[in-house]
Amino acid sequence: DAGITQSPRHKVTETGTPVTLRCHQTENHRYMYWYRQDPGHGLRLIHYSYGVKDTDKGEVSDGYSVSRSKTEDFLLTLESATSSQTSVYFCAISAGQGLGNTGELFFGEGSRLTVL
Amino acid sequence: DQQVKQNSPSLSVQEGRISILNCDYTNSMFDYFLWYKKYPAEGPTFLISISSIKDKNEDGRFTVFLNKSAKHLSLHIVPSQPGDSAVYFCAASLSHSGGAQKLVFGQGTRLTINP
Repeated sequence: DAGITQSPRHKVTETGTPVTLRCHQTENHRYMYWYRQDPGHGLRLIHYSYGVKDTDKGEVSDGYSVSRSKTEDFLLTLESATSSQTSVYFCAISAGQGLGNTGELFFGEGSRLTVL
Repeated sequence: DQQVKQNSPSLSVQEGRISILNCDYTNSMFDYFLWYKKYPAEGPTFLISISSIKDKNEDGRFTVFLNKSAKHLSLHIVPSQPGDSAVYFCAASLSHSGGAQKLVFGQGTRLTINP
């Protein structure tokens, strides 16, 4: 199994409070991603990183920011949480495409966030 | 707009029979297609993939077929086993900034294998 740890695994917070989710990897992979999973939507990309301090937006980035100050850590921040951000958040890592590698992503176990 | 669609939210199959999960896509620029399996309270795990230049890839009990003209792919599981009961996500890959592979996922199909 890929070494990916997400924290916290569960969090309940109130509307308007800031929240930070952490993803830590021990694989030294270049690429890291944050997805959210919601019923009827599958998984949707929030932000991704292609190197230290190099990040870009995904399809549902509004209300979220990310930071990657070192290879192993990718932080997802909700500046002011809203009820629509109640979801399960998954971090993923990838070594990228290469010989025999389709660039598949390896996912963490998820962080369940409830915004009241 | 939903670029990757799984139109069947659920599928029930008898143990030992073939399970066929379907997926449609709209973007011709996808370069890889992947299937992920997800158990409750766990992250998705990679199952099998296929390059956009191929039409079939097989790995043990799992085979993925790609029909580019129809923009359709399917996952065949044979024979189906109780441990195959899970949610299956179809995903399509696009290259992006810095070589990152962005995966676009379908909504998922819940497969139940009945004894």
